[in-house]
This record gives sequence, structure tokens and C-alpha cells, in this order.
Amino acid sequence: AQSVTQLGSHVSVSEGALVLLRCNYSSSVPPYLFWYVQYPNQGLQLLLKYTSAATLVKGINGFEAEFKKSETSFHLTKPSAHMSDAAEYFCAVSDQYSSASKIIFGSGTRLSIRP
Amino acid sequence: DAGVTQSPTHLIKTRGQHVTLRCSPISGHKSVSWYQQVLGQGPQFIFQYYEKEERGRGNFPDRFSARQFPNYSSELNVNALLLGDSALYLCASSLGTGSHQPQHFGDGTRLSIL
Repeated sequence: AQSVTQLGSHVSVSEGALVLLRCNYSSSVPPYLFWYVQYPNQGLQLLLKYTSAATLVKGINGFEAEFKKSETSFHLTKPSAHMSDAAEYFCAVSDQYSSASKIIFGSGTRLSIRP
Repeated sequence: DAGVTQSPTHLIKTRGQHVTLRCSPISGHKSVSWYQQVLGQGPQFIFQYYEKEERGRGNFPDRFSARQFPNYSSELNVNALLLGDSALYLCASSLGTGSHQPQHFGDGTRLSIL
């Protein structure tokens, strides 16, 4: 069975500050890991994904995440927050060996940016 | 190029009714997946269809069904609606099946049950 746990349902940072959104995963098989962003009244947009190549993954809009197997973590970071980063962020996991495209999502972290 | 399109955008139904939600994938994509997102939670996988065949099913009751058409568009049907079915229903398309395939999401259909 696979699952993800996002630590903190709401994170607030100042504009220009470091963004750190935490995600821990559980998987009995090698996982693929994802971060998605959801803006109000919209669907989900893929920020980045880990597919067992490089452990440091760079995504869109200046975000990156590091896969740490020993800590079963896949935290999302951005060096300098921008007002446009305010949104809901979802960490997700899927089974590398599955023939289906089933993705298991965390419960989300709402990111607020203070001026 | 058009993204994943879903219709309708909003829908209001009453308990016991049935509903059909529609999804058109990105041109060239042969796989469609459906997710339910209850307010304040992450999306939950309902179904995946690839080449008109069901490839995956989540933990949802038989009231939920889906199908995929020859043009790869898809319908999600929900019978005997319950208050708990109120949610944002998201459709995602991908070129093929397999968890390595990037999924592209539509903006969803917001279903409200009264």
C-alpha cells in the first residue's frame, strides 16, 4: 500500500522568503513521486516529478524537491516566494511497477504569501 | 492546443438522482482517469480507462461507473446520489497508461447534492 503525509495543512511565508512544504511517503515498492499545484477553481498542474533518476528534481516556477529514501521524504522548496505562488500544493505517489496511472494524493498544504 | 475539457463546470442535483459528467482528453491522449476531490482533501482515484478498457479502479461503490468512447472521450456516471457525493470531479488524460505517464488535469466539474 502507498500513502503520503503532508506536514502542515497551512503554511504562511513572507514574499521573498524560503518556501518549504513537507511530504513523507510510504511505499512497499519503488515509488514515483509528484508535486502538483492547484489554484482556486482550477484543476491540478504538475510542478515536478521524481522517477528514480536524479534525486534532486527541478520543476516549473523555480520549485525543486529532493528525494531522500532514508527519510522517506520528498520536500518541496523554492528559494524566494512570490505572491503568485499562493495556492494549494499536493504531494502524490504512484507505484513504479503498476500498469495503471493511479496516483495517491496527500491532503494538501495551502501556501499563503504575506506582502 | 486545447487542454483537458470537462462539462458541465457546475451541477446541482438532489439525493437519489443520477448524474453524467463528461471529459474530452488532450488530442492524442488515449488514457483518461477520474478523481473525486472532496472539499479540503486531496483527489481520490476513481477509475482509469485506456483504449476503452478499464485499467484501474479505486475504492468506490458500484454506484460509480465510467466508460470511454472510440474518440477517447469519457463519461463518469453516478447513480443514487448521496450528500457525500458532493465534490469536485477531476478528469486527467495521458498519452498512455503506466504511472510514469504525466497526467494532465482539467478544471473539473463541481457537483453539489442537495
